Amino acid sequence: AQKVTQAQTEISVVEKEDVTLDCVYETRDTTYYLFWYKQPPSGELVFLIRRNSFDEQNEISGRYSWNFQKSTSSFNFTITASQVVDSAVYFCALSEAEGYSTLTFGKGTMLLVSP
Amino acid sequence: NAGVTQTPKFQVLKTGQSMTLQCAQDMNHEYMSWYRQDPGMGLRLIHYSVGAGITDQGEVPNGYNVSRSTTEDFPLRLLSAAPSQTSVYFCASSVRGQTNEKLFFGSGTQLSVL
Repeated sequence: AQKVTQAQTEISVVEKEDVTLDCVYETRDTTYYLFWYKQPPSGELVFLIRRNSFDEQNEISGRYSWNFQKSTSSFNFTITASQVVDSAVYFCALSEAEGYSTLTFGKGTMLLVSP
Repeated sequence: NAGVTQTPKFQVLKTGQSMTLQCAQDMNHEYMSWYRQDPGMGLRLIHYSVGAGITDQGEVPNGYNVSRSTTEDFPLRLLSAAPSQTSVYFCASSVRGQTNEKLFFGSGTQLSVL
């Protein structure tokens, strides 16, 4: 069975601090996909990134970066120079390779960025 | 394109009442699914569909029915609402033929069962 663990329930930082959100996953599949979604206070779910299990390159998109380490089954997300608008709940999710886009979500990490 | 549209946005039911949460997408997506979000639980899959006429159960299907008569619509039915079904419900869709393509989510339906 697949499982996604986000051990950090809530993180509070002050604006401009860097923050890393942890994600650890479990799967028996050799091919799988990992995702991060953002849920701002307005409630919608916003796609951030998808990464397949064969691509271990780190990715950077503006202030966002992702570190995928297959050896430790982790897919961590770092926000550099955090801003108040980054305040949201962030979900890590896992999908098997042959699935129909059904995801197993972690419980989420609430990030609070104060001015 | 409207994307994924869910109605209603808010609903209050009494225990035992029935209702249908509507979900429609205009992106010609084959895959559609329903998730529920509860505090501290993340999102959990209720039911999903890989195309018109095909549905399957997810992690938490009890108390819910679905059908998929058209590509565009994927309603979720609560036949006899229970307080345990108080939650935020999200409908999602994704393209056909691209394994594990990202999900497009609706804006959610907040349901309270008293």
